Amino acid sequence: AQSVTQLDSQVPVFEEAPVELRCNYSSSVSVYLFWYVQYPNQGLQLLLKYLSGSTLVKGINGFEAEFNKSQTSFHLRKPSVHISDTAEYFCAVSENQGAQKLVFGQGTRLTINP
Amino acid sequence: GAGVSQSPSNKVTEKGKDVELRCDPISGHTALYWYRQSLGQGLEFLIYFQGNSAPDKSGLPSDRFSAERTGGSVSTLTIQRTQQEDSAVYLCASSPGTVGSPLHFGNGTRLTVT
Repeated sequence: AQSVTQLDSQVPVFEEAPVELRCNYSSSVSVYLFWYVQYPNQGLQLLLKYLSGSTLVKGINGFEAEFNKSQTSFHLRKPSVHISDTAEYFCAVSENQGAQKLVFGQGTRLTINP
Repeated sequence: GAGVSQSPSNKVTEKGKDVELRCDPISGHTALYWYRQSLGQGLEFLIYFQGNSAPDKSGLPSDRFSAERTGGSVSTLTIQRTQQEDSAVYLCASSPGTVGSPLHFGNGTRLTVT
């Protein structure tokens, strides 16, 4: 069965600074990878996804993530954050065969300070 | 169009009582998930329905938890003999069920067991 580990439960950064949110996964088969975002008092929404092809994927709001198969990682990055990026970010994985159940990590709370 | 609808939005119940949480997925979505979100615990997978296949119940924490999906549409999550540790936000999500399709989340039911 697949699993996801988000190494940082909280990440505080200053506005306009770069940020990286780390995600590592475990699976015995090939996977699909996702990042979801939950803004304060809102539901979860898809930020970006990797299914196949280019290992660098771009999502909404200037975020991007890079799939690294050898390191089983899918870290999320943004070169310059804004106050509005304050949210909780969830990494998720599904196996590309079988039931394709989606499993989430524990989440990383990103706080942007002025 | 209508999104995923969950009811009730809030539920307060006494320890030992049974509760039923309802989810109306987006019309035509074949995949339906239940997750539990607790403070600091991320999104805990509970159960996954895909079309007419047998549901994946591997995430249900105990035999007090059960779920059904009638007619491939509406789903009900039932918790029997509720305990205080069951207090959490219960999230339902649906998707078209195709490869890599994103999940659409409801706003959740906040369950408080007193």
